[in-house]
Amino acid sequence: NAGVTQTPKFQVLKTGQSMTLQCAQDMNHNSMYWYRQDPGMGLRLIYYSASEGTTDKGEVPNGYNVSRLNKREFSLRLESAAPSQTSVYFCASSEYWGPRPQHFGDGTRLSIL
Amino acid sequence: GNSVTQMEGPVTLSEEAFLTINCTYTATGYPSLFWYVQYPGEGLQLLLKATKADDKGSNKGFEATYRKETTSFHLEKGSVQVSDSAVYFCALMSTGTASKLTFGTGTRLQVTL
Repeated sequence: NAGVTQTPKFQVLKTGQSMTLQCAQDMNHNSMYWYRQDPGMGLRLIYYSASEGTTDKGEVPNGYNVSRLNKREFSLRLESAAPSQTSVYFCASSEYWGPRPQHFGDGTRLSIL
Repeated sequence: GNSVTQMEGPVTLSEEAFLTINCTYTATGYPSLFWYVQYPGEGLQLLLKATKADDKGSNKGFEATYRKETTSFHLEKGSVQVSDSAVYFCALMSTGTASKLTFGTGTRLQVTL
C-alpha cells in the first residue's frame, strides 16, 4: 500500500551543498512529477517525466536536475543549494501522460541555511 | 496562461456547519478540474474531480460542480467534521498543457467542536 515514497523526509543543507531527493512509486505509473510547495504559492511544477526515458522542464526548473532512473524511480538533484530553494518538495505520479489524477508522496521538507 | 484563484483562508467553522470554498479559473481549451486535500504532514490526496461542464464531482460528503459559464468549481460540504481540518487545493489540467496541473494557493480549513 506504499504508493509514492519519498526520501528523506527532512533535510538541512548549507548553501552550496548538493543533494538528491529520491522518489519511487509502486503503481506501475508511466508519468512522474516533481513539485515545490511554498507558502501562499500553491504547488509549482519543477520537472516532469511523461514516460520512462523522457524528462522535461516545468514552471520553475532553474537550479534543479532530474533523472528518470527506471519506470519506478524519479530523482531530483540540487547541484549547489541556495536559500531560495528552501521548500517542501513533492513527488507525484500518474497512470499516463494526460488528464489523469496524480498521486502524491508525503513530501521532503528541505531547509538551506 | 492558466490560473486558479481560491478564496483566502483560514476558514474556521464549527462542527456540523456548512462549508463553501470558492474556486475560479482561467484556462485554455476545456480543462479538467480537481480538488485535492492535504492533511497535516502529508502529501496531497485527490478529493474529487470533474472533466466536463456541468459534471459534479463528489467524495466523502464533499461536492463541486464544473460551471463553465462562471468558470468556477466551488467546493461544498453540508456538515463538516473536525477530521475535515486540512488545506484544500483547487487545480486544473488544461488540454493545452496535457498533464500539467495548475494549482491554486490553497485554503486552510479549521473545524472546531
